[in-house]
This record gives sequence, C-alpha cells and structure tokens, in this order.
Amino acid sequence: AQSVSQHNHHVILSEAASLELGCNYSYGGTVNLFWYVQYPGQHLQLLLKYFSGDPLVKGIKGFEAEFIKSKFSFNLRKPSVQWSDTAEYFCAVKENYGQNFVFGPGTRLSVLP
Amino acid sequence: DSGVTQTPKHLITATGQRVTLRCSPRSGDLSVYWYQQSLDQGLQFLIQYYNGEERAKGNILERFSAQQFPDLHSELNLSSLELGDSALYFCASSVAWDRVSRGELFFGEGSRLTVL
Repeated sequence: AQSVSQHNHHVILSEAASLELGCNYSYGGTVNLFWYVQYPGQHLQLLLKYFSGDPLVKGIKGFEAEFIKSKFSFNLRKPSVQWSDTAEYFCAVKENYGQNFVFGPGTRLSVLP
Repeated sequence: DSGVTQTPKHLITATGQRVTLRCSPRSGDLSVYWYQQSLDQGLQFLIQYYNGEERAKGNILERFSAQQFPDLHSELNLSSLELGDSALYFCASSVAWDRVSRGELFFGEGSRLTVL
C-alpha cells in the first residue's frame, strides 16, 4: 500500500526565512503529487500539483516543489515566508490512473512576525 | 470557494446518537471522498464514491456508512456516536473518469462534529 511521510511535524520560522518541507512517498509506479495547505479554521486548498513534465512545479503564493523520482520525494519550498503562510501543509500522492489519494500526516508551519 | 458544499458546518450531539452529514460536490464532479480530521489522527480517508458506487474504503468504522445519490450528492451517516468521533469531517470531490483520473481534490469547508 502507498504511504506518504512528511519529515517535520512542526516547523517554526521567522518572516523572510526560507522554507523547505520534506515529503516522501512509497510507490513504485507513476504517481501524481500534490501539496495542500490548510489555513487555521479553513478547508484544504491546493497549492500545487505535479502530473508529468518539468519536475520543478510552481504553485500559488510563491510556493514551488521539486519532484525527484529517484528519491521518491516531492519537497515544498518557498524562498521567503510571510506570517500569512502560517498553516498546516499536507503532501498527497495518487497513482497516475487511480482515484485513491493518500495524504501525509501534515506539517504545521508557524511563522513568527 | 471550492464549489464543494457541506452541511451542517457545526453539530453538537450526545453519545449514542446518530447524525448525517451532507456533501454536494462541484458541478460535474462524479467522485466524492470523505475524510476525518482529528488532532491525534490527522487526515484519515474514510470512503470514496464514484457516480453512485462505492469505489474505495479506508479507515471507516462499521458504525459509519455513506452513500452517493443519483444527483451525486453524498451523505455520511455516523451512528452510536462516541466521544472519540468528535472531529472535522471533510468531503472532497474530483473530476474522475472510470479508472482514469488526473484531477486534484477540491475540499469542502468541513462539518465539525462535537460529541458530548
């Protein structure tokens, strides 16, 4: 069965610091990859997604993620975080032609003003 | 606004009771997913329906059941409620063709259930 791990449970950064959140998955076939964000008290929203092509994916709000197939990783990055990025971030994986989305446990990001 | 509608937004009930949560997917989406989010368990997949048929089952208790109706809305029924069932229940929908799906999930705002 597929599984998704996220390296950090809680990350605390100051504004303007750079961010990298790790995500690894276990599945040998072709996958679709997603990062979702959940702001406090809100629902999950899509940040970015990877289906095929350029492994460096750009999403909303200045976020990007890099798919490294050999490492089964899809790490999320942002060069300079803002207080408004405080949220929980979820990595998710889906088989290319499947319908089963598997979510990681989430990483809580706190950005200090 | 994701286009996925969930009702009720908040629900407070007592142990042993039964509740029904409702979800209307985005227009055109055939697939509906239910997730439970609690502090200690994270985001847990419960069940998925595609065009009225159950497609995948996750960590759904026997006390819970769901269905998707011909108009594609879905209901999650939770019965014999326990304190530990208190959680945020999310519905999500996606564009899905039979066995071929490249769409992302669109989440509703969730139904917060509190069992006292």
